[in-house]
Amino acid sequence: DAGVTQSPTHLIKTRGQQVTLRCSPKSGHDTVSWYQQALGQGPQFIFQYYEEEERQRGNFPDRFSGHQFPNYSSELNVNALLLGDSALYLCASSSAGQASREAFFGQGTRLTVV
Amino acid sequence: AQKITQTQPGMFVQEKEAVTLDCTYDTSDPSYGLFWYKQPSSGEMIFLIYQGSYDQQNATEGRYSLNFQKARKSANLVISASQLGDSAMYFCAMREGPNTGNQFYFGTGTSLTVIP
Repeated sequence: DAGVTQSPTHLIKTRGQQVTLRCSPKSGHDTVSWYQQALGQGPQFIFQYYEEEERQRGNFPDRFSGHQFPNYSSELNVNALLLGDSALYLCASSSAGQASREAFFGQGTRLTVV
Repeated sequence: AQKITQTQPGMFVQEKEAVTLDCTYDTSDPSYGLFWYKQPSSGEMIFLIYQGSYDQQNATEGRYSLNFQKARKSANLVISASQLGDSAMYFCAMREGPNTGNQFYFGTGTSLTVIP
């Protein structure tokens, strides 16, 4: 049973560029959440997708957008990259239909903006 | 105000000894869940243990136990018989409300080093 998979694992981008990160949730999960973890910090909630719609959003600017596909996989897009966007981006999956407690996280994508 | 506070940036423990990692939380919601995750250098967040706000007993999962003191709003993680593989970052997290899909609030983490 594959867990949460994220791609790519590492990425280097130039300031001002755009980036797309991808996430495949754990089998049977329909909800995907994205988190940004800056160096030395805990993860911060970006947004959550369920039924192909953004259901919740944290305190992040509109440069951060996302999408969920019918197979429940998700993309995180960041436009006009800033140096401060350098971080580990974590995807978490869960199931809205089960009384699951924990969310399952992927290994993350390490984004470096230069 | 911070939802989750972890005041120990780094901790050291001798192999086979027990260690306590501190966590305090802040919420006005009567229904919430408290979680501990382990994050090795690979980056993945590994679920360790969960405590619900209405749970009467402290949670235990193998060598992990959660010392839940509701009145003090603390949820400390106790790791017994530490192993070298326990060296990692540890994050306390909270999810408010009964909806299992709500967002997690994380603390800043504690770096645990197990000494042989």
